[in-house]
Amino acid sequence: GENVEQHPSTLSVQEGDSAVIKCTYSDSASNYFPWYKQELGKRPQLIIDIRSNVGEKKDQRIAVTLNKTAKHFSLHITETQPEDSAVYFCAASKSSGGYNKLIFGAGTRLAVHP
Amino acid sequence: GAGVSQSPSNKVTEKGKDVELRCDPISGHTALYWYRQSLGQGLEFLIYFQGNSAPDKSGLPSDRFSAERTGGSVSTLTIQRTQQEDSAVYLCASSSPRGVNTGELFFGEGSRLTVL
Repeated sequence: GENVEQHPSTLSVQEGDSAVIKCTYSDSASNYFPWYKQELGKRPQLIIDIRSNVGEKKDQRIAVTLNKTAKHFSLHITETQPEDSAVYFCAASKSSGGYNKLIFGAGTRLAVHP
Repeated sequence: GAGVSQSPSNKVTEKGKDVELRCDPISGHTALYWYRQSLGQGLEFLIYFQGNSAPDKSGLPSDRFSAERTGGSVSTLTIQRTQQEDSAVYLCASSSPRGVNTGELFFGEGSRLTVL
């Protein structure tokens, strides 16, 4: 089955700096790669996703890149702010008709210091 | 409802007791998922439903764990003869195969289970 590795497990940056989180996946048939943000004590929420037919997607300060050949994808956050502090999870799945059995990475705890 | 609802939000039980955790998905969402999140850990897949059937139960840790879904809506996760290692937050999510947000999982707040 699918296995997703995520690095780093913790990341500390100064406000305004960029943050990059990287994930690798094992199943070459996976075609959907979302990122979820989980604030302390809250539920995980989708922040951005990418499908295997594109290599990059941007939404304001966040972007995701996908390298299908190498089977890795990354989350980039620019101009970080204290409210970006949270745990970020990458995931991979073989999306079929909207049904997504997501396999998650172990998470990255991001701390943005003012 | 407006979002995925889970109950109870907190459950403390004694080792060996059975527990039931309930999930009420977003109305119209045909897919429902159960995940487990141990303290400081990632999200571990348990089982998912398409309608009332469960095509993939591969994540259930042991035969003490079972889940059902009735009427294509509410789901119950049952843990029999609980053990201390079952202590975790159990998260439910639902998704719709149609529409703008196709495939996005909407999570509930979770049920925190503590086994003493």
